[in-house]
Amino acid sequence: KAGVTQTPRYLIKTRGQQVTLSCSPISGHRSVSWYQQTPGQGLQFLFEYFSETQRNKGNFPGRFSGRQFSNSRSEMNVSTLELGDSALYLCASSVQGASNTEAFFGQGTRLTVV
Amino acid sequence: GIQVEQSPPDLILQEGANSTLRCNFSDSVNNLQWFHQNPWGQLINLFYIPSGTKQNGRLSATTVATERYSLLYISSSQTTDSGVYFCAVVGINTGTASKLTFGTGTRLQVTL
Repeated sequence: KAGVTQTPRYLIKTRGQQVTLSCSPISGHRSVSWYQQTPGQGLQFLFEYFSETQRNKGNFPGRFSGRQFSNSRSEMNVSTLELGDSALYLCASSVQGASNTEAFFGQGTRLTVV
Repeated sequence: GIQVEQSPPDLILQEGANSTLRCNFSDSVNNLQWFHQNPWGQLINLFYIPSGTKQNGRLSATTVATERYSLLYISSSQTTDSGVYFCAVVGINTGTASKLTFGTGTRLQVTL
């Protein structure tokens, strides 16, 4: 059974640009969540999508957005990149959501903003 | 929101030694998971353990939900056990929220 797949693995962008990250969940999983990991703030929740709807959102500015497609694949977009957006972005999938089912993570996308 | 504290923050062991990592949380939980983050950044699932005890090879975990803590035991440690171990929870009072709240991790280094 394939795991959670994130693309690309590495990305270098310039301040002010925008970026789109992709996450393909485990087959049969309908919930996809995104997390940001930085040395200073640790692992922080960005948002969760379930059946193409954003179900939960963390405390991030509106520059961070996402969507989910009918096949449960999800994309995350960051507009007007800032240096502080440099981080490891991790995607997690679960059957119904992490509140009552186990979450599995992808390998992450490491974003560097210069 | 729910608070998660992990201890110790850093641990250095010689190969073959045993260790216990602790996770304290501030509220009742629906979900508790232990992860090992490898050097490439991926979070590897170790245990899904909102309560009770589980074992998987050299690793075992116990969650005492009523006392709001979980323990991860590593026996006969190997150099491949090195990395950061995270505890993550979903609080029972978060409603429908599925957000995992992570501790700050325990960085384990196993030396020869």
